[in-house]
Amino acid sequence: QLQLQESGPGLVKPSETPSLTCTVSGDSVSSGRNYWGWLRQPPGKGLEWIGSIYYSGTTYYTPSLKSRVTIFVDTSKNHFTLRLNSVTAADTAIYFCARHSGSWIYDAFDVWGQGTMVTVS
Amino acid sequence: QSVLTQPPSVSAAPGQQVIISCSGSSSNIGNNYVLWYQRLPGTAPKLLIYDNDERPSGIPDRFSGSKSGTSANLAITGLQTGDEADYHCGTWDNRLSSLVFGGGTKLTVL
Repeated sequence: QLQLQESGPGLVKPSETPSLTCTVSGDSVSSGRNYWGWLRQPPGKGLEWIGSIYYSGTTYYTPSLKSRVTIFVDTSKNHFTLRLNSVTAADTAIYFCARHSGSWIYDAFDVWGQGTMVTVS
Repeated sequence: QSVLTQPPSVSAAPGQQVIISCSGSSSNIGNNYVLWYQRLPGTAPKLLIYDNDERPSGIPDRFSGSKSGTSANLAITGLQTGDEADYHCGTWDNRLSSLVFGGGTKLTVL
C-alpha cells in the first residue's frame, strides 16, 4: 500500500533553513510514472502548492516561493526533500507531501502524507 | 489572498444538497481542468474530483463537479454529518505557471 510520510524539525527559528523529507513506501519515486510534490496550509488559510519534482530532477516551483525553495530527490533512499530558506512566521503551516497521479505537473495529487506542522518562532 | 475565490463557509441540513463555488479567470479555470479536495478535520486532503467532473474510484456519486467558463462548482447531495470538512478547489494557472487553489470552504452539516 502506497504511503507517504513527512518528517521535519517541528519548531524552527526565524531566518533558519529547515529541511522536510517525504519518505515513500509502496511505490518508487524513480518509476517515472509520477511527479512528487510539496504543499502547505497555514493556520486558517487555504492550500498552497510549493513545488514538485520528477525523478530526473526536473522541478517546478510556485513563483512566490521560488527564490527560497529547493526540492531534490534521492532515488536510492526513495524520498524527496524540501528545503526552505530564511523562514519567517509566515511560513508557519502544515506541510504535506503528495504524489501527482501522473507524469504531468497538471495531474492531481492522488495520494497524500499526513502532514507535518512547522512552527516558526 | 488566494487566486481562486471560494465562499468561506456553507451549511445545510442532513439529506439536503449543497453547492460550493470556485471562481477564477481565463488564465486558470477558463483554460484548465479543475480539481476538488476534501480535508476532514485533522486528516490529509483527499482527491474528490479531477478533470472538472471525474471521480476517483471510491468516491461516492453524491459528489459531483462541473465547470462553466471561469467558474466551477462542487455539488454534494444527500448530506451526511461525515461530510463536514473543508473543501478546496485547485487548477493550473497559465499566467503564473503555478498550481493555484481557492481559500477553502468549510461545510457545516446542521
